[in-house]
Amino acid sequence: DAGVIQSPRHEVTEMGQEVTLRCKPISGHDYLFWYRQTMMRGLELLIYFNNNVPIDDSGMPEDRFSAKMPNASFSTLKIQPSEPRDSAVYFCASSPSGSQSYEQYFGPGTRLTVT
Amino acid sequence: DQQVKQNSPSLSVQEGRISILNCDYTNSMFDYFLWYKKYPAEGPTFLISISSIKDKNEDGRFTVFLNKSAKHLSLHIVPSQPGDSAVYFCAASTLNTGKLIFGQGTTLQVKP
Repeated sequence: DAGVIQSPRHEVTEMGQEVTLRCKPISGHDYLFWYRQTMMRGLELLIYFNNNVPIDDSGMPEDRFSAKMPNASFSTLKIQPSEPRDSAVYFCASSPSGSQSYEQYFGPGTRLTVT
Repeated sequence: DQQVKQNSPSLSVQEGRISILNCDYTNSMFDYFLWYKKYPAEGPTFLISISSIKDKNEDGRFTVFLNKSAKHLSLHIVPSQPGDSAVYFCAASTLNTGKLIFGQGTTLQVKP
């Protein structure tokens, strides 16, 4: 099993540009989560999906952020327009339904730098 | 309004000694708690968990203790090894949401 795959691993962009982060969850997992990691706030949940449907997007910072899951094997997180304060590491995670341990499997992350 | 808090940003211990990482939470509805470990340039990986109906869970060198009345959990690593040097996140969940709330993380350094 390849695990959760994220691309790109690193992204450097200028303020005002659109950024799209991509995630492929583990096959068979029904839940997909997007997190942001910063020094100040640690790991923040941005949004999560169950069976491709967004369940909770209360962590999305503002309208500049959007996420989609068009099918069970692909999700995107888009920031438009990007700002320097969006610089962080963004993680995607997935988990199976009925997991007794609530364990989530994380991808390697995308380090975003907005200049 | 951080529901899960790790008040110690960092901890340094000597190899072979015990490492104790602490975590506090505010939501009494949390029913499952987890610890994740993260190395640089990698995603967090699951380490150990505990249900709210238990007060202790042990897995090799790692033990998690839960004190529900104090809304406090801790991770004990005995003996600590240099390879344990990483960022440790505690997380909590409520039944059936599938959602984890993470703390800010504690960076553990184990010195040889």
